[in-house]
Amino acid sequence: DQQVKQNSPSLSVQEGRISILNCDYTNSMFDYFLWYKKYPAEGPTFLISISSIKDKNEDGRFTVFLNKSAKHLSLHIVPSQPGDSAVYFCAATPFIAFGTGTRLTIIP
Amino acid sequence: DGGITQSPKYLFRKEGQNVTLSCEQNLNHDAMYWYRQDPGQGLRLIYYSQIVNDFQKGDIAEGYSVSREKKESFPLTVTSAQKNPTAFYLCASSMLPQGSSPLHFGNGTRLTVT
Repeated sequence: DQQVKQNSPSLSVQEGRISILNCDYTNSMFDYFLWYKKYPAEGPTFLISISSIKDKNEDGRFTVFLNKSAKHLSLHIVPSQPGDSAVYFCAATPFIAFGTGTRLTIIP
Repeated sequence: DGGITQSPKYLFRKEGQNVTLSCEQNLNHDAMYWYRQDPGQGLRLIYYSQIVNDFQKGDIAEGYSVSREKKESFPLTVTSAQKNPTAFYLCASSMLPQGSSPLHFGNGTRLTVT
């Protein structure tokens, strides 16, 4: 039973434009959300997080938005760069549940 | 450099053999985790350990075993009872168990069983 869902397996965005990756969750006990970025044959690396007491967290080109009433979070990357091409996982704690990932491709 | 080391990167075994995947960390983290990644299924938790000499089953522990004799080490054994062992295995650690501390991942071991 997937408690964290990423419904878009892939996304292509033009370089310089905004990339928006979405994530939905079902368990209202989740209190902290994280985004990880993964390149092929490597382990995921932590990107950005947000606590459930906030609705937005920003770090450079990356912003995560949380809508608790909709049980939805999104990661915005602006402007998108070719090095952003990777698989992005959202995750939620305290049960450390991961989504299935979205493969982002930035088109030069 | 602090980090998590998984070895080997690629591992091949015959069906019916047990195999142990190594995971070592020098981050002084208390909690360690094993995940499995299959295409289209994200990361699924196999086992985790919050402290030395203690570990808990994750969502898909059947066919796997672990030990945590030292803080730095959390080896995973894939036994012959695991029905679909071919996968990409990721080890991770965190400062706080199951909290807001991000996971630090190793670079994974790809296991192929034929």
